[in-house]
This record gives sequence, C-alpha cells and structure tokens, in this order.
Amino acid sequence: DAGVTQSPTHLIKTRGQQVTLRCSPKSGHDTVSWYQQALGQGPQFIFQYYEEEERQRGNFPDRFSGHQFPNYSSELNVNALLLGDSALYLCASSEGTSRWGYTFGSGTRLTVV
Amino acid sequence: GQNIDQPTEMTATEGAIVQINCTYQTSGFNGLFWYQQHAGEAPTFLSYNVLDGLEEKGRFSSFLSRSKGYSYLLLKELQMKDSASYLCAVRGNAGNMLTFGGGTRLMVKP
Repeated sequence: DAGVTQSPTHLIKTRGQQVTLRCSPKSGHDTVSWYQQALGQGPQFIFQYYEEEERQRGNFPDRFSGHQFPNYSSELNVNALLLGDSALYLCASSEGTSRWGYTFGSGTRLTVV
Repeated sequence: GQNIDQPTEMTATEGAIVQINCTYQTSGFNGLFWYQQHAGEAPTFLSYNVLDGLEEKGRFSSFLSRSKGYSYLLLKELQMKDSASYLCAVRGNAGNMLTFGGGTRLMVKP
C-alpha cells in the first residue's frame, strides 16, 4: 500500500518563475493538505482540499494556489517565486477529519535562486 | 489564532529518559499531535491526545492538560535512532488544519 507520493523530490527555480508540485494521497484518503517547512522550522499550513475544493487556507498570499483532481491527487502552484519561497513543501493526506491526523509525504525541496 | 512553543534543542544520553514539553494558546482545540521527523524525511505520527491524561505506546508516552495548555512527550530507553526533530501540533475546531510548533531537535549521545 503506497503512502503519500510527491514529485519532484528536488527542484531549483529562478526568482520570478512559476512552479507546480504534485501529490498523490495514500490509498483510501480523500483530503489533501499542503504545508511549507522552512529549514529548522515547523511546517506551516498553506491550504487543504476536499471534494476538489479549497476548504481551508493558511496565511499565504494568492501566489500560492492549488487544485484537487477527481482521483484525489493534488497540485500546488506557486507564481512569481521569491527567494523566501525556498523550503520543503509537504503534502499530507487524511480520510476526512481523521483522529490520527495526517500521513505525510517526503516532500519536495524547492530552492529559488 | 494559535501559538505553540517547544524547546529548540535537547540533548540526552542513550538509555536515558527525556521529556519534551509543549505549551499552546489556541482559539479552539480538537486534539494535540506529536510527530517525529528525521532530517530530510517526512514527519511520522507518534501520538494523539484529545482528553486530559497520559497515552502510552511502547517507549513513547504523551500527556495532555487542556486547562494548562500543556503537553509533553516522554521517550524512555533512548536509542541513537531517536535522534530527530519532534513536532507538537494542535488541531483547532474548524476542519483538519494542524498548527505546528517550531520543533525540538533531540540529539542522543552514546
């Protein structure tokens, strides 16, 4: 049973560019959340998708957008990249509001130069 | 809003016991989670508390006091592989969003 799968694992982009990160949730999970984790910090909530709609959003600008597909997979898009967007982007899936919280993927390490 | 505090770093000896504290101030509360994260890897679930008291799972235990906004993670019989960051996270009343603390980096020495 595959867990949460994220791609790519590493990515280098230039300031001002756009990037798309992808996530496939764990089998049986229908809710996908995205988190940004700066080096040495805890993860920060970006947004959560359920039934192909954004259900909750953290304190992130509109440059951060997302999508969820009918098969529950999800994309995170970031426009007009800034140096400060360099971080580990974690995708987490759950079955609705699960008592056990999330299952996390290993993340995409984004470096903006 | 939510504010979660935990120590930045701790050091302990192999075979010993260590307690990692977490205090929180939240506008709503629907559970507290502890995750373990090794460098460069995904956070993995350790424990969940929603009622006051102690939850024990093998070498790991977690305690919650909702009235004090306080939790701790207790690790017994420390092993070198326990060297990792430990993340405290609170779920609010709306949805499934978790607010994380900054994490506690634990170094286990021989």
